[in-house]
Amino acid sequence: KQEVTQIPAALSVPEGENLVLNCSFTDSAIYNLQWFRQDPGKGLTSLLLIQSSQREQTSGRLNASLDKSSGRSTLYIAASQPGDSATYLCAVYMDSNYQLIWGAGTKLIIKP
Amino acid sequence: DAGVIQSPRHEVTEMGQEVTLRCKPISGHNSLFWYRQTMMRGLELLIYFNNNVPIDDSGMPEDRFSAKMPNASFSTLKIQPSEPRDSAVYFCASSLGGLAAQETQYFGPGTRLLVL
Repeated sequence: KQEVTQIPAALSVPEGENLVLNCSFTDSAIYNLQWFRQDPGKGLTSLLLIQSSQREQTSGRLNASLDKSSGRSTLYIAASQPGDSATYLCAVYMDSNYQLIWGAGTKLIIKP
Repeated sequence: DAGVIQSPRHEVTEMGQEVTLRCKPISGHNSLFWYRQTMMRGLELLIYFNNNVPIDDSGMPEDRFSAKMPNASFSTLKIQPSEPRDSAVYFCASSLGGLAAQETQYFGPGTRLLVL
């Protein structure tokens, strides 16, 4: 059974720092991995989707990497801003399965 | 596009009452998902529709929960009777793809339900 883990559960850093969020999964037979952002009281917004054949995806200050063999993904945020404060969740699709398997999320606070 | 629309945004009700949550998916999307989010259990998939047909309702907690999708632009999730342990945020999400297409899901803003 696939399990997705995100450590730490919470992270607080000063504005301007580069930071890395971690996501690990137990079964490497994933179809793709997605990173989402959730702001308080709001829904989830998809940030990046990495197919299993890809190593990384970039969008603006965000870069997500994927290492299937080791069961790990990272979300790199460059030059962090207070507006980046949110909970970040990763989720994986397994092959031939419509159900996303979710991590519990990392709550990120960027201090001005 | 306005994105996924959910109503109401907040619902406070008393135990035993019927609650109906509504969702309008993004136009043209073929898949619709209902999720529940709590601090203790995180995000849980309740039910998945594809082309208006329920494909998997194994996540529905019990018979008190029911969901319908009468057409491609509308879905409801009903709880009858409601209980305090149903208090959670309920999300609706939609995606473009067909059955088992592993594509990005677009989430609505959620309905925050409190059952007293």
